[in-house]
Amino acid sequence: SQKIEQNSEALNIQEGKTATLTCNYTNYSPAYLQWYRQDPGRGPVFLLLIRENEKEKRKERLKVTFDTTLKQSLFHITASQPADSATYLCALYDYKLSFGAGTTVTVRA
Amino acid sequence: DSGVTQTPKHLITATGQRVTLRCSPRSGDLSVYWYQQSLDQGLQFLIQYYNGEERAKGNILERFSAQQFPDLHSELNLSSLELGDSALYFCASSVKQGEAGNTIYFGEGSWLTVV
Repeated sequence: SQKIEQNSEALNIQEGKTATLTCNYTNYSPAYLQWYRQDPGRGPVFLLLIRENEKEKRKERLKVTFDTTLKQSLFHITASQPADSATYLCALYDYKLSFGAGTTVTVRA
Repeated sequence: DSGVTQTPKHLITATGQRVTLRCSPRSGDLSVYWYQQSLDQGLQFLIQYYNGEERAKGNILERFSAQQFPDLHSELNLSSLELGDSALYFCASSVKQGEAGNTIYFGEGSWLTVV
């Protein structure tokens, strides 16, 4: 069956450090992978999209890598800030957009 | 503000009852998606419509149904409600039929509590 697995544990980091989140998938052949941010009780918000032929994508302090051989994407938040505290969701598209369970990041001041 | 509007924001109802959740997509968006999010299940895809027609279906219960109207707004109907249906229901929209890589925009959700 298809699975999207993200870091199961919450991530607590010090302000200024880099947070690295992992998204692994099985039985998908996605052409694209997306990352979303979700704050408590709010709808997910799109952050980044990376295509299968792209190894890395950056947007401000965010960086995403995509390794189709390993079936893995890494999501980095550099120079983290308390405002980055949220749950981050990985999403893959086949005939529908399916989400991982998310990783909750807490950045300590 | 994503531009996707959902009503009601909160709803409390009894088991066995029926409710209707409403969604207005972003202006110009043709596709509407419904997701259910509960604490133990994460974000689960229910169903997608494109320009009034059903395009994709997830693990939507038979007690649930949805439709998209000519003005592109959508409704999700939940009937014979059970305690386990308590969740946050999201509507999302996008411009094109859910092509890979297309960004979808989520509303703020409708909190349903079944008591």
